[in-house]
Amino acid sequence: DGGITQSPKYLFRKEGQNVTLSCEQNLNHDAMYWYRQDPGQGLRLIYYSQIVNDFQKGDIAEGYSVSREKKESFPLTVTSAQKNPTAFYLCASRAPRGSQFFGPGTRLTVL
Amino acid sequence: GQQLNQSPQSMFIQEGEDVSMNCTSSSIFNTWLWYKQEPGEGPVLLIALYKAGELTSNGRLTAQFGITRKDSFLNISASIPSDVGIYFCAGLVLGDWGTSGSRLTFGEGTQLTVNP
Repeated sequence: DGGITQSPKYLFRKEGQNVTLSCEQNLNHDAMYWYRQDPGQGLRLIYYSQIVNDFQKGDIAEGYSVSREKKESFPLTVTSAQKNPTAFYLCASRAPRGSQFFGPGTRLTVL
Repeated sequence: GQQLNQSPQSMFIQEGEDVSMNCTSSSIFNTWLWYKQEPGEGPVLLIALYKAGELTSNGRLTAQFGITRKDSFLNISASIPSDVGIYFCAGLVLGDWGTSGSRLTFGEGTQLTVNP
């Protein structure tokens, strides 16, 4: 089945550690996105990539980094510079007419 | 920047009632999308609208793309307990397609609670 997978579902990190969240899609979509969601709030764009080897900062990129070496994969690294990393992280890819399809999300908790 | 005002913020209804929520903006959008998110899960696309005035249904859900291109609404008929969740609207400006990665603008969501 085509879709977007994110792993792990739950992630715990100690303060000061970097952590990488995985996002894979087999929908053959060019563009991919990372969003952050805090409790009771909407989605905020962290980074996006329109094509392999290219990516742009979104609205809240500080403390995060990404890479796009393969079309299918768009991993997000939450660095120790991110002041409040505890959140729900969502990855999405874009269909040709503009709709975005989301993965199941990764809940990151900093201990 | 662009903003979407989504209302109401929350709704508490009885099973069997109809529900209506809407999104408005001061900006024009070329595409309107409606998503549903359940606790701990990613948003799921319910309906996509691509043309002003378009009315589209998906089962008990009906959504319309406003004639002015600045608003959209979602109706749910005969609600059931599994309709519980957060409903988000999202708008897309066609001009963003090639330049800014086709970024969506999201509403803040409507939290729907259905009492059996």
